[in-house]
Amino acid sequence: DTGVSQDPRHKITKRGQNVTFRCDPISEHNRLYWYRQTLGQGPEFLTYFQNEAQLEKSRLLSDRFSAERPKGSFSTLEIQRTEQGDSAMYLCASSLTESEAFFGQGTRLTVV
Amino acid sequence: AQSVTQPDIHITVSEGASLELRCNYSYGATPYLFWYVQSPGQGLQLLLKYFSGDTLVQGIKGFEAEFKRSQSSFNLRKPSVHWSDAAEYFCAVGAGAGTASKLTFGTGTRLQVTL
Repeated sequence: DTGVSQDPRHKITKRGQNVTFRCDPISEHNRLYWYRQTLGQGPEFLTYFQNEAQLEKSRLLSDRFSAERPKGSFSTLEIQRTEQGDSAMYLCASSLTESEAFFGQGTRLTVV
Repeated sequence: AQSVTQPDIHITVSEGASLELRCNYSYGATPYLFWYVQSPGQGLQLLLKYFSGDTLVQGIKGFEAEFKRSQSSFNLRKPSVHWSDAAEYFCAVGAGAGTASKLTFGTGTRLQVTL
């Protein structure tokens, strides 16, 4: 399967710990997006990359969040000093410019 | 800024009955519109999209949607629902102008199918 891959699928962490998620986009997709989805809500845009450049960050992305896409391939999303409010599903998507986004299955984060 | 409203939080239909899920959007220019489906604990699967052209678009799994500019709507329809269609459905609008994939989602409609 050559779809968008996210790792891990589930993560439980204690409040205050740092966590990192990985996303592998569809090969040759130049755009990569991160979204956050809380229970009962639609996904909310966090940030996106075109190749290795991070072009936009939502105001939802506090200073504790950082995303990278070295070499324009996979991406990582790190959350430092996690809080209970960070508990959510983190979705990654990729696309070619001007086309539809394909989503991964997400990483469900639970902060206890 | 763009926005999407899905007025129905939860809809229940009988298997074999027709379905219409409502979506209204707010966007200043010609919108890029999408419907995605999400099964429990899973990511989002694209059902169909509208970029331009014919306002009635066909998607996967027998779904279709009609873009009505005058009503700012993009309602999803299916003539005969199957039990496997039970899921959460999200309407989304793309930012357009080179960022069609940066999406603003509605809050979703949960579809329950009774046998």
